[in-house]
Amino acid sequence: KAGVTQTPRYLIKTRGQQVTLSCSPISGHRSVSWYQQTPGQGLQFLFEYFSETQRNKGNFPGRFSGRQFSNSRSEMNVSTLELGDSALYLCASSPTVGPTGANVLTFGAGSRLTVL
Amino acid sequence: DQQVKQNSPSLSVQEGRISILNCDYTNSMFDYFLWYKKYPAEGPTFLISISSIKDKNEDGRFTVFLNKSAKHLSLHIVPSQPGDSAVYFCAADNAGNMLTFGGGTRLMVKP
Repeated sequence: KAGVTQTPRYLIKTRGQQVTLSCSPISGHRSVSWYQQTPGQGLQFLFEYFSETQRNKGNFPGRFSGRQFSNSRSEMNVSTLELGDSALYLCASSPTVGPTGANVLTFGAGSRLTVL
Repeated sequence: DQQVKQNSPSLSVQEGRISILNCDYTNSMFDYFLWYKKYPAEGPTFLISISSIKDKNEDGRFTVFLNKSAKHLSLHIVPSQPGDSAVYFCAADNAGNMLTFGGGTRLMVKP
């Protein structure tokens, strides 16, 4: 069973540019979440999609957006990049609520974005 | 407002001994708590979870304890192995759709 795939793995952008990151969830998983990991802030929730609908959104500015396609694949976009957007962006998928009731997310390896 | 906190940024333990990683939370509405392990250049990997109605859950060398009155949970690893060296994240789930993570604790197990 293939895991969560994120592309690209590494990318470098300059301030003011925009970036699109892609995530392919585990087959059969309909929920896709995005998290930002930075050394100072840890793992912070960006947003979560289920059946092409955004169900939850974290406390990030409107420059951060995402979408989910009918095949559950997801993309996130960051516009007008700032230096502080440099981070590891993690995508995670889940079959919504598992048998234990806990929301067990399976993470991809992440996309490391560097903004110069 | 950090709802989930891991106050120890790092922990060093000798191989074969017990590793105890701690986590505190403030929101009493959390339903589940989870522990994830993360190696460099990889995404976090799920380790173990516990429901808020339980006080202990065990899976092999890993045991998680929950003290609801103190809003505190801990992960015990016995015996610790060098391969356990990683960053461990505590996370809390209150809606089934998003997790709130602590800042992580870097565990180093010395051979």
